[in-house]
Amino acid sequence: GENVGLHLPTLSVQEGDNSIINCAYSNSASDYFIWYKQESGKGPQFIIDIRSNMDKRQGQRVTVLLNKTVKHLSLQIAATQPGDSAVYFCAEKISGDKLIFGTGTRLQVFP
Amino acid sequence: DAGVIQSPRHEVTEMGQEVTLRCKPISGHDYLFWYRQTMMRGLELLIYFNNNVPIDDSGMPEDRFSAKMPNASFSTLKIQPSEPRDSAVYFCASSLALGARDFGPGTRLTVT
Repeated sequence: GENVGLHLPTLSVQEGDNSIINCAYSNSASDYFIWYKQESGKGPQFIIDIRSNMDKRQGQRVTVLLNKTVKHLSLQIAATQPGDSAVYFCAEKISGDKLIFGTGTRLQVFP
Repeated sequence: DAGVIQSPRHEVTEMGQEVTLRCKPISGHDYLFWYRQTMMRGLELLIYFNNNVPIDDSGMPEDRFSAKMPNASFSTLKIQPSEPRDSAVYFCASSLALGARDFGPGTRLTVT
């Protein structure tokens, strides 16, 4: 996919380490957030979501944290693997059914 | 479940030609979305449908773009006439109510 922006932030981690990808969202009224993973040449793939009445949600090797006070969302990946290399997008539901995506962060995992 | 299906996967066309992108959403999903992804603007929502009815087309760039959903299992995005700046990857996605979107593999459009 066309996910390499001129200023796409990149996070480089060593295999086995934990990764933390951050996202600042724009609308304090947003009540639903999603993290997507996009590998090269593919569409975004759902990872995990969280509603605004929660501040933490865990999945398999992933944890999403929501801080509504500062409008901040983070994705934590435990024991990062080479297959985790991709661009990660946060998305917020700002109104109705509209989902607005962030610019993305590229995660590079090296051995 | 085959997921969201898009065709063609790649399209190369000359400026001025009509382009039609196709999408088959996941069966049972009542929302369908069209997105465009470019290096400069990232992932942009163009239009979305609920129960085959267009709800919000405010993201459609201009009148050259149109989208239809004649039934619950098929949607098209048409560009007529196409221009080089329309070159992008176009994604179709579907969802159940307010759930997370399931994205298709995308159509890479190149307009020369």
